[in-house]
Amino acid sequence: DAGITQSPRHKVTETGTPVTLRCHQTENHRYMYWYRQDPGHGLRLIHYSYGVKDTDKGEVSDGYSVSRSKTEDFLLTLESATSSQTSVYFCAISGIQGRETQYFGPGTRLLVL
Amino acid sequence: DAKTTQPPSMDCAEGRAANLPCNHSTISGNEYVYWYRQIHSQGPQYIIHGLKNNETNEMASLIITEDRKSSTLILPHATLRDTAVYYCIDTADNYGQNFVFGPGTRLSVLP
Repeated sequence: DAGITQSPRHKVTETGTPVTLRCHQTENHRYMYWYRQDPGHGLRLIHYSYGVKDTDKGEVSDGYSVSRSKTEDFLLTLESATSSQTSVYFCAISGIQGRETQYFGPGTRLLVL
Repeated sequence: DAKTTQPPSMDCAEGRAANLPCNHSTISGNEYVYWYRQIHSQGPQYIIHGLKNNETNEMASLIITEDRKSSTLILPHATLRDTAVYYCIDTADNYGQNFVFGPGTRLSVLP
């Protein structure tokens, strides 16, 4: 399995509080991604990064921000959590040997009350 | 929205081959076909991918039709641990390409 960890794995928070999720990789891959998965919607891309300090928006970026200060870490921040952001969040990486296969982390379950 | 279409569910007897179809009606010449699976609530797991030719690895075989409008993932000897949701995706070979996951096919391997 690709060396990807996500923290925390589970979190319960209240509406209006800030939340930061961390994705850490040990593969030195250039690209990192944040997805959310909800029933009936499959996985949807939130943001992605194509290098340190280089990020771009995905399909459902409203309400989320990201940062990447080191190759190995990609942070997803919910500035003011809402109940609609209750979801399972997956991080992915790609960039092995010039191919774009994405490898996914174990996920973070977030419940916003 | 997903660019591929798959049956919502399939059953397969343990030990038999599981053949999962996918339609890629809008696939273009430089787009690859990828297959992933998701077991319960784990992260999606990469299975196999291809462009034009059939491919095989330790997990599965991928058959792509000559017109590339459909593909079939074959699990040659399905086990109970292969019960999962299987996703097919077509995507261009450029970094940062959004992998659009549709609802997939829920495969149930029955004892």
